[in-house]
Amino acid sequence: ETGVTQTPRHLVMGMTNKKSLKCEQHLGHNAMYWYKQSAKKPLELMFVYSLEERVENNSVPSRFSPECPNSSHLFLHLHTLQPEDSALYLCASSQDRGGALLFGPGTRLTVT
Amino acid sequence: GEDVEQSLFLSVREGDSSVINCTYTDSSSTYLYWYKQEPGAGLQLLTYIFSNMDMKQDQRLTVLLNKKDKHLSLRIADTQTGDSAIYFCAESIEAAGNKLTFGGGTRVLVKP
Repeated sequence: ETGVTQTPRHLVMGMTNKKSLKCEQHLGHNAMYWYKQSAKKPLELMFVYSLEERVENNSVPSRFSPECPNSSHLFLHLHTLQPEDSALYLCASSQDRGGALLFGPGTRLTVT
Repeated sequence: GEDVEQSLFLSVREGDSSVINCTYTDSSSTYLYWYKQEPGAGLQLLTYIFSNMDMKQDQRLTVLLNKKDKHLSLRIADTQTGDSAIYFCAESIEAAGNKLTFGGGTRVLVKP
């Protein structure tokens, strides 16, 4: 499959649950990103991985834990989330850090 | 500093031209991008322009860059109902590791 894929597309979880979001790209890109998109807020960059090393962590609460096992896969592990964490979580990749971003379709997360 | 601003909303009649405007504050930007987001989807890269260019045309899309005024615009010719979406501009700043900074998005509504 081409492009950036994300699973699941929709997720509803309680505040005590643990879940993971998955992102995958087979474009040969070296950098991968997690963004959060909330209603009425600008797009927020959460994490950046370049060559599987985390190079940016924008003051994200520890209840979000990223993992990049290889250059094609990126995970976002979620635990004890809050209702205000409900948002669209977008994964993106780029050839090199700072190049044009290609986005996945996003995971719509609802925390109840 | 990094600040990218867009107007919130644009309404246009089908067949007319749309012009979406964006202003940015950092004069050291290297690339400027336009992304489109349709409901329930991720961001789709539409086009981009290198900062030493004034204009780029790609089929119905024309990007104009005024570096002096730090103003970027996207013109969509012969706007169609399928062009209804949120459009984001973004700048890439070399001094910040080519990190992309996004505007808040302009919601374009095309009326038949």
